Amino acid sequence: RKEVEQDPGPFNVPEGATVAFNCTYSNSASQSFFWYRQDCRKEPKLLMSVYSSGNEDGRFTAQLNRASQYISLLIRDSKLSDSATYLCVVREGRALTFGSGTRLQVQP
Amino acid sequence: DTEVTQTPKHLVMGMTNKKSLKCEQHMGHRAMYWYKQKAKKPPELMFVYSYEKLSINESVPSRFSPECPNSSLLNLHLHALQPEDSALYLCASSQAGTENSPLHFGNGTRLTVT
Repeated sequence: RKEVEQDPGPFNVPEGATVAFNCTYSNSASQSFFWYRQDCRKEPKLLMSVYSSGNEDGRFTAQLNRASQYISLLIRDSKLSDSATYLCVVREGRALTFGSGTRLQVQP
Repeated sequence: DTEVTQTPKHLVMGMTNKKSLKCEQHMGHRAMYWYKQKAKKPPELMFVYSYEKLSINESVPSRFSPECPNSSLLNLHLHALQPEDSALYLCASSQAGTENSPLHFGNGTRLTVT
């Protein structure tokens, strides 16, 4: 079983749509969680950290469920510029493990 | 603009060459990382340095040799690579000893081994 698993993509959505991604992790000792976005042939960029109480940054909302060991990312009012691969990242100590990523394509 | 700088951006090398990838950060971070990313795959951890000491080596072949000369610099020395080592090599840094610290990535070096 993979340590960090994500929804398979691609997700093709129209502009203005709401889209949600899920990510599950296998290690209950995992300490912190992040969402990154990666554009084609670019480096991953931090989108947001994920806090236990859930957190929001503009159109983006992240949730953590430690009991079920999953993390979610909700994007409201999708923009064309949101098209990218979204990577779930889980930290255990010094090591961070990436999920395989979910590709989002927002269409006009 | 990224605060982690990697050079070169692109590198083509033969299997008998020796080359080095360089990474520099001035964020005051004391943890630095090398990741390897193949096309359409997530980044895979290679090495972690914490306070300039190697703390994680993910069973990486010895043809990859990391070096951390000081708290701002991280190098990856390459020797006798194989074509399958062609990939995007990403350097990252984070605060050390802080479990909630995210990684900040450089732009990467796109390596082609011929």
